[in-house]
Amino acid sequence: NAGVTQTPKFQVLKTGQSMTLQCAQDMNHEYMSWYRQDPGMGLRLIHYSVGAGITDQGEVPNGYNVSRSTTEDFPLRLLSAAPSQTSVYFCASSYGGAGYEQYFGPGTRLTVT
Amino acid sequence: GIQVEQSPPDLILQEGANSTLRCNFSDSVNNLQWFHQNPWGQLINLFYIPSGTKQNGRLSATTVATERYSLLYISSSQTTDSGVYFCAVEIGQGAQKLVFGQGTRLTINP
Repeated sequence: NAGVTQTPKFQVLKTGQSMTLQCAQDMNHEYMSWYRQDPGMGLRLIHYSVGAGITDQGEVPNGYNVSRSTTEDFPLRLLSAAPSQTSVYFCASSYGGAGYEQYFGPGTRLTVT
Repeated sequence: GIQVEQSPPDLILQEGANSTLRCNFSDSVNNLQWFHQNPWGQLINLFYIPSGTKQNGRLSATTVATERYSLLYISSSQTTDSGVYFCAVEIGQGAQKLVFGQGTRLTINP
């Protein structure tokens, strides 16, 4: 298994541009989520999904959209990038809901100028 | 919301030393995980430990849920143990949401 994969690894955007961060998992996990990590801090939850077609907001959802059309993929969209969205983005997945271990992808480092 | 505090924030040790990292949380949680973020930024699962004690080689962890803390022990440190150690607590009913602490930055010098 490849586990949780994320693309791209690095990205530079100009303010106002849009882009999609890709996340895929091949472990048949129902739960997927997106976190951001700012310098010197722990991760904060952006959005999560409990299964295909079902998404919900986390702690810091503003400026981000998600959708879950398949079990495997959970893309994160930035509609109009802002410098405050400069961060490292991690995708995670787990087999089920509460009580299951989460596995993280390698991260995408995003810089917005 | 729930507060997750880790201590110490920074720890510098010589190779071969032992260390204890602490994670305190302010409310009841469903579960707790420890992660190691290596110098390349990758998050590596160390322990999934809602309660009790687990050991994996030189690492072990203990969670006392009733007293709202968890400890991560690293024995005979190696330079490859360097990085940031995060604890994350799971909250929420039905949905799995992790709340992370600020991390402990561990530096092991040769």
